[in-house]
Amino acid sequence: QVQLVESGGGVVQPGRSLRLSCATSGFIFSNYGFHWVRQAPGKGLEWVAVIWFDGSNQYYAGSVKGRFTISRDSSMNTVYLQMNSLRVEDTALYYCARDLGHFSRGSSYFDYWGQGTLVTVSS
Amino acid sequence: QSVLTQPPSVSGAPGQRVTISCTGSSSNIGAGYDVYWYRQFPGTALKLLIYANSNRPSGVPDRFSGSKSGTSASLAITGLQAEDEADYYCQSYDSSLSGVVFGGGTKLTVL
Repeated sequence: QVQLVESGGGVVQPGRSLRLSCATSGFIFSNYGFHWVRQAPGKGLEWVAVIWFDGSNQYYAGSVKGRFTISRDSSMNTVYLQMNSLRVEDTALYYCARDLGHFSRGSSYFDYWGQGTLVTVSS
Repeated sequence: QSVLTQPPSVSGAPGQRVTISCTGSSSNIGAGYDVYWYRQFPGTALKLLIYANSNRPSGVPDRFSGSKSGTSASLAITGLQAEDEADYYCQSYDSSLSGVVFGGGTKLTVL
């Protein structure tokens, strides 16, 4: 069955870095794009980043552009989110989600989500 | 605050019909981008309920239906059941932001 399992979250000081991983299984990894979506405590969902099925393009929310980098490793069936210069406002539960649509056409949507990994940025 | 606006909470008695609205603007829903709906139980992964405005994935009961008009969309749930109590989110795309956007979420309470 399709599985997405996030890891790598933790407590980190402002200005430091963290790398999240999303290990996938149960489907052909190279056929799909992936997104990271976050949810601050008690808040709604916020889209973070997308990487295309072949890794050729990445797009970011304005709040993380220049600080976060999304990447993928087809040999490991894993998606990553490198987060640098972390801020207190980056504190959230970070979800990985599989894209069943087409971001280039504005039709991305998510058929499978992971359970999330918690990132806490605090001094 | 979220780009798409949802009511923070709705409620209904078992067996009743409830609707959850999702209001956007001319750069997202009003621009013709599709709307999607998800359900989230506390501590669990989100589940896709409606895609492309009004389509149900396999396995989603026909008690759930979606519609879209102008700059808004709605999720309707008929025959309300206790297990429908959850948070519901709408999602679309915004051309001004060049990214995916979500509503703030609606907590459904079954009385």
